[in-house]
Amino acid sequence: EPEVTQTPSHQVTQMGQEVILRCVPISNHLYFYWYRQILGQKVEFLVSFYNNEISEKSEIFDDQFSVERPDGSNFTLKIRSTKLEDSAMYFCASIVGENTEAFFGQGTRLTVV
Amino acid sequence: DAKTTQPTSMDCAEGRAANLPCNHSTISGNEYVYWYRQIHSQGPQYIIHGLKNNETNEMASLIITEDRKSSTLILPHATLRDTAVYYCIVKGNNNDMRFGAGTRLTVKP
Repeated sequence: EPEVTQTPSHQVTQMGQEVILRCVPISNHLYFYWYRQILGQKVEFLVSFYNNEISEKSEIFDDQFSVERPDGSNFTLKIRSTKLEDSAMYFCASIVGENTEAFFGQGTRLTVV
Repeated sequence: DAKTTQPTSMDCAEGRAANLPCNHSTISGNEYVYWYRQIHSQGPQYIIHGLKNNETNEMASLIITEDRKSSTLILPHATLRDTAVYYCIVKGNNNDMRFGAGTRLTVKP
């Protein structure tokens, strides 16, 4: 079964550093998402991406965050100048089209120290 | 910011049907009802979705009321591995899919 792949599975970074979280969506999918989940809390929507541009974003997704699909296969989330409160699981998801199921990756656990 | 209301937690006996309710009284005509679950801290897993007709797949059944203001996810024979947080999500054609707090289902032996 096709799957969404995220790397790395764990990332530890120092406060103030930049991190890039990587995702490889399912190959024929057209819509891509990033979510985060702070430990013990709900899954929070960050951003959706379609046709090489952001289509929706939440209030969490401020100038500290950016997304990119640099080469037609990878979908990345960049977090600039990380803060302690950015520590969370980050999930990538993709869907093939509107009104279809989303496939989620297994997540990247980001720890900011 | 979620458009749905679910009970915080539910228990179910192993082998019995688990019926998880969801209220979505402000649902619009073009919005679908989706169900996902999250086992421990894994990535959410799709279960089923529907617009207005009842739906069934190998995992579950989805019963949507005629006025579409509520729905029920049915796991026909719950197992211990079905213990998870279950999320009911309403989503239209936009790309904004938001999770609420969900229902923590505990299947007990």
